[in-house]
Amino acid sequence: QVQLVQSGAEVKKPRSSVKVSCKASGGTFSAYSISWVRQAPGQGLEWMGGIIPLFGSTNYPQKFQGRVTITADMSTSTTYMELRSLTPEDTAVYYCARCDRSGWYYFEDWGQGTLVTVSS
Amino acid sequence: EIVLTQSPGTLSLSPGERATLSCRASQSVTSSFLAWYQHKPGQAPRLLIYGASSRATGIPDRFSGSGSGKDFTLTISTLEPEDSAVYYCQQYGSSSLTFGGGTKVEIK
Repeated sequence: QVQLVQSGAEVKKPRSSVKVSCKASGGTFSAYSISWVRQAPGQGLEWMGGIIPLFGSTNYPQKFQGRVTITADMSTSTTYMELRSLTPEDTAVYYCARCDRSGWYYFEDWGQGTLVTVSS
Repeated sequence: EIVLTQSPGTLSLSPGERATLSCRASQSVTSSFLAWYQHKPGQAPRLLIYGASSRATGIPDRFSGSGSGKDFTLTISTLEPEDSAVYYCQQYGSSSLTFGGGTKVEIK
């Protein structure tokens, strides 16, 4: 089983950016895709986009295009999610999640979550 | 984008009872590419079902999924206290993945 370990909680000011990391251990990093999913307080799960590290190809829903960048470092099996132009509505727990193939499917493994708080 | 609507919003049942959760898609989900997750407070979501009806590794057989096209169902045959959680459906028939709004299952 693949383990995903995320970076720690962040507190950010409005209009700034945040970058959250997700390090994978076990399995073959290049053989699957990693997505980012967030949950705002009292809300449901929301897919923010993902990356296939082997190809470097990314996929973002329209809502986040231009504001989110997901990258991967094959040498460290780490994926990064950067969210720009933060507003208080971006306060949420951010999860990385792994799909066991190179594509956009269901998520078998999840990181522990990273709380991002946006406040002035 | 495929919109998933889950119902009911909240289900309050006693241990041993049967829970039936619904997930309806705004358009047909290709190849029944639908998954279900269990999400408890302070924990990461847990995959229960994929391909509409296949149980993920280690998931008890009291959890079952069914459906096709636009209508899907998650059934918990005999509720246990530890089944208290929010349940989400997710479609992957389209490359723009989407989740439903969730159904909260409360155990009386």
